[in-house]
Formats: sequence, structure tokens, C-alpha cells
Amino acid sequence: KAGVTQTPRYLIKTRGQQVTLSCSPISGHRSVSWYQQTPGQGLQFLFEYFSETQRNKGNFPGRFSGRQFSNSRSEMNVSTLELGDSALYLCASSLMGGSADTQYFGPGTRLTVL
Amino acid sequence: AQTVTQSQPEMSVQEAETVTLSCTYDTSESNYYLFWYKQPPSRQMILVIRQEAYKQQNATENRFSVNFQKAAKSFSLKISDSQLGDTAMYFCAFMKHGVTTDSWGKLQFGAGTQVVVTP
Repeated sequence: KAGVTQTPRYLIKTRGQQVTLSCSPISGHRSVSWYQQTPGQGLQFLFEYFSETQRNKGNFPGRFSGRQFSNSRSEMNVSTLELGDSALYLCASSLMGGSADTQYFGPGTRLTVL
Repeated sequence: AQTVTQSQPEMSVQEAETVTLSCTYDTSESNYYLFWYKQPPSRQMILVIRQEAYKQQNATENRFSVNFQKAAKSFSLKISDSQLGDTAMYFCAFMKHGVTTDSWGKLQFGAGTQVVVTP
């Protein structure tokens, strides 16, 4: 089975712009979670989607949003980029998103905001 | 709210030796799952081992084993016969078990421990 894929792998944006990141889960997985990884804050949970519905959300401002499509692919969007949004964004997929499910991570998208 | 603490920012170990990484967590939940993930320089996060809180037996996966002490809220990882490929950042993570929305899909990570395996 193919693993979790994320596109693009690298992005450079300037402050004020918006960005969309994409995540394709492992075939058959219906839950997609997103995480932000920074040196200062570590790994932080952004949100989780299942069957096109956001079921859980972390403590991030409304500039961070996401969606999930009927094929379970997910996108996250960050509007009005700030310097502090520079991070590695990781997505992970699992069968149903429950605690008994293992999350499998993608390689991440490295976002740099100038 | 749950917190996960990894008190060792970095550890160095020689090839073939054993290293133990510590992890403590704070939760009021009785049922949950604990995980160790490794993140090598490629940044690809890989599951190393998982433990279900209601299982007394410590999980083992080849050279990786855990010491789960539920009462002490401790979950340490032992890497035996260390190999150069084990060089990575290791993260301890917690997931609450439940049917409420705040449990779904949410791993809570510690700050990580950088393990360096030297020849």
C-alpha cells in the first residue's frame, strides 16, 4: 500500500499570503489529522477530519482551516500568513481516528514565511 | 488536559549498547494509549511501539521495549543493541480513549529526545 503523501514538500511564501497544503491518506483510511511542528512549540495538533467532517480541533486561530473530500484526501489552508507560521506541517491518516488506530504520518510540508 | 513530559533533550549511545528514554504524563483518564514515534533526519515520523493502558504487559517490538508504570504515569522506551539507523528524535505521545470528540485523531506529544548513536 502506498503511504501517506503530502504536497508540496516545500513552500516559500510571504507574509499576508495564503497557502493550501494537501494530504492523501493511505487507501482505506478515513481519518486525517494535521499537526504543526516548530522548534519552539514542538508538535501541536491542528485538527482532525473524518468523513468530510471536522471532529476535533486544536488551539489555533481561525486563519487555520481545513477540509476533507469524499475520497478522504484532505487540505489545510492558512490565510494571512505570519512569520510564526513557518513550520513543518505533518498529516497523519488512520482507519477511523480512534485511539486504537495507529496514525501513519506523511513526510510533511516545510512552509517558510518570509 | 493531558501533558507529556520528556526530560532528556539528548542522549548519546554507542553502537550495540542500550539506551533508555524517559517519558512521564499527566492525565485523569483511566483508559488511553501511549506511543513512541521516531523522527529521523528525513523528518518522516515512524511508529516505534504502542501500549494500551489497560494492558499490564509491557509492549515489545524487536529491539524496542517499554516499561509502562501506570500508577507512576511513566512510559520509558528501551532501545537494545543500538544501531546507527536508530539515530533520530524520539517522541512520546498520548491519546485519550473515548467516544467524545476531543479524543478523536489527537495525539499529544512530548518535546522529544534526540538520540545519537555513535560507532
